[in-house]
Amino acid sequence: GQNIDQPTEMTATEGAIVQINCTYQTSGFNGLFWYQQHAGEAPTFLSYNVLDGLEEKGRFSSFLSRSKGYSYLLLKELQMKDSASYLCAVLDSNYQLIWGAGTKLIIKP
Amino acid sequence: ETGVTQTPRHLVMGMTNKKSLKCEQHLGHNAMYWYKQSAKKPLELMFVYSLEERVENNSVPSRFSPECPNSSHLFLHLHTLQPEDSALYLCASSQLDGLAGDSNTGELFFGEGSRLTVL
Repeated sequence: GQNIDQPTEMTATEGAIVQINCTYQTSGFNGLFWYQQHAGEAPTFLSYNVLDGLEEKGRFSSFLSRSKGYSYLLLKELQMKDSASYLCAVLDSNYQLIWGAGTKLIIKP
Repeated sequence: ETGVTQTPRHLVMGMTNKKSLKCEQHLGHNAMYWYKQSAKKPLELMFVYSLEERVENNSVPSRFSPECPNSSHLFLHLHTLQPEDSALYLCASSQLDGLAGDSNTGELFFGEGSRLTVL
C-alpha cells in the first residue's frame, strides 16, 4: 500500500530552527507538496519538490531525496505564528495525491 | 483569503436530517474536490470534478451526494448521516492541464472547511 509518515507533533522555541520530516512509500512519484494549516483555517500551499535538493523560500526550505523516499521542511527563525499543522503529500504515478496525517508544530516563547 | 469559499462553516445535524454544504471558487479553476479531514488522520479524497464531470469517487457511501452545476460551484448533499461522519469537510480547486480527467499537477486551493457534527 501507499504510505506517508510524518511525526504527529513537535515542539520548538521561538527564534529557533525546526525540521519536520516526511518519508513516503508510493506507487511512483510525481512530486511532493508541503501545506500549512492553522487551526480552524484552510490548508495553504508552502512548497513543491519534484527534483532532488533543497528549495528555499524565505524562512522556509524544503528538501527532497527521491532515492530515500524522504523530504523535510525546515523552518528558521521561528515565530509564534508558525504554530500550525504541516501536511506532507505525494503525487503518485496516477497523479493521485497521497496525504500524510500532518505534524502539529507548537512554538513556545 | 484563498479564493475558495465554503458555507456553512459549522453544521450540526441529526441522523435523519438532509443538509447541503456549498463551495464556490473565484479562481477560474477547472477542477474541484471534496475532502474529509478527521483528527490525526490523512486527508481523504471523496470526489473530484473536472470540467463539471465527476472523475473520482473513492468508494464514498451514497449518503454523500455531490453536485457540480458549473465550474465555480460544488455542493455536497448530506442525508441520513452517521455519527462517524462528523469531521471537517474541505473543498478545494485547482487548474488541471490537459484533457478532462487528467490528474492534478498543480497546487490545491482549499476553502476553510465546514465543520460537521452528526448527533
